Amino acid sequence: GQNIDQPTEMTATEGAIVQINCTYQTSGFNGLFWYQQHAGEAPTFLSYNVLDGLEEKGRFSSFLSRSKGYSYLLLKELQMKDSASYLCAVREGGAGSYQLTFGKGTKLSVIP
Amino acid sequence: DSGVTQTPKHLITATGQRVTLRCSPRSGDLSVYWYQQSLDQGLQFLIQYYNGEERAKGNILERFSAQQFPDLHSELNLSSLELGDSALYFCASSVDFKETQYFGPGTRLLVL
Repeated sequence: GQNIDQPTEMTATEGAIVQINCTYQTSGFNGLFWYQQHAGEAPTFLSYNVLDGLEEKGRFSSFLSRSKGYSYLLLKELQMKDSASYLCAVREGGAGSYQLTFGKGTKLSVIP
Repeated sequence: DSGVTQTPKHLITATGQRVTLRCSPRSGDLSVYWYQQSLDQGLQFLIQYYNGEERAKGNILERFSAQQFPDLHSELNLSSLELGDSALYFCASSVDFKETQYFGPGTRLLVL
């Protein structure tokens, strides 16, 4: 099984930078995903890491350390529309059978 | 818009009843996943199909079943419904079982 931990809530100011951390424990790591989810809507794919290091995509970056079981999502130049839940998900498995396990999400509130 | 469609958007039913949720994956995607999201549990993986065959099973109750048809659309059947089954049910699809999952808009189920 898996254990994924991320903070329940965070608040940040418009224009600032925020880092959302995720720690996990898994026996068959096969990649880590970040999704954004606005209330009542579908999760939207943000980023994917399978190797250690930083992946940058516009205002969003994601970092992975497999040895530490740790990832973070970095959001720069925060905008009000970034207020949402951010879900960390770990993929586990192999041989044609993969499963995504999601953390409970971090609710980010961006304030003026 | 992810390209994944789900019907119906909303469903209200009574305890003990049976419902069917439908999902059409993105064009070209062979793999379909079903998730349940309730307020206290977060996003829970239920089951995965790939090209018509069941590939992985998560926390799916025996009262629930699913299938993927030759045209690749999928249906999730929920029977003997209980109040606790009230949740958002998401379908996701990917090209194959190793690729990024893209989520549909969800079906909001309310059991009264």
